[in-house]
Amino acid sequence: KQEVTQIPAALSVPEGENLVLNCSFTDSAIYNLQWFRQDPGKGLTSLLLIQSSQREQTSGRLNASLDKSSGRSTLYIAASQPGDSATYLCAVHGSSNTGKLIFGQGTTLQVKP
Amino acid sequence: SAVISQKPSRDICQRGTSLTIQCQVDSQVTMMFWYRQQPGQSLTLIATANQGSEATYESGFVIDKFPISRPNLTFSTLTVSNMSPEDSSIYLCSVLDFGRVGNEKLFFGSGTQLSVL
Repeated sequence: KQEVTQIPAALSVPEGENLVLNCSFTDSAIYNLQWFRQDPGKGLTSLLLIQSSQREQTSGRLNASLDKSSGRSTLYIAASQPGDSATYLCAVHGSSNTGKLIFGQGTTLQVKP
Repeated sequence: SAVISQKPSRDICQRGTSLTIQCQVDSQVTMMFWYRQQPGQSLTLIATANQGSEATYESGFVIDKFPISRPNLTFSTLTVSNMSPEDSSIYLCSVLDFGRVGNEKLFFGSGTQLSVL
């Protein structure tokens, strides 16, 4: 049974810092992996998707990496801003034809001005 | 990417009542899903909403408690029946964008925050 773990559960940093959020999964047979952002009481915004054959994806100040063999992904945020404050969720997709994502518990990030 | 609208965005309900949540997508999508996020927890898939047939429920979720309709390729509803405080959660509609092979991606609506007293 696939399990997804995110460390740390919470993180507080001063504005401008670069930071790394970690995600690990127990079954390396994944189809792809998505990182999401969730603001309090709101839905999810898709940030990055990494296919199982890829090593990393970049979008603006965000860079996500994937090491499928070791069951790890990281989300790197460069030059953090207060607007980055949110919960970041990692989710693995086991198959192409289902909507079942297995989510981690999330990392709640606070960026202080 | 599809634009997903959910209604209501939040509601406070009494124990024993039912609430129907609507999900409208701005384009036809093959696959629609309903997720639940309990307080302080991550998301769990409730069911796949199948167009023209009964929804497919995940383990631990049953049709009597969470009846789902999907009359066409752009619309679905989830009903939370006979509510109890344990049903207080955020309920999210999502769709699968097939895109390129390997790039299949889920998009989510803004969610319905439900509180049951």
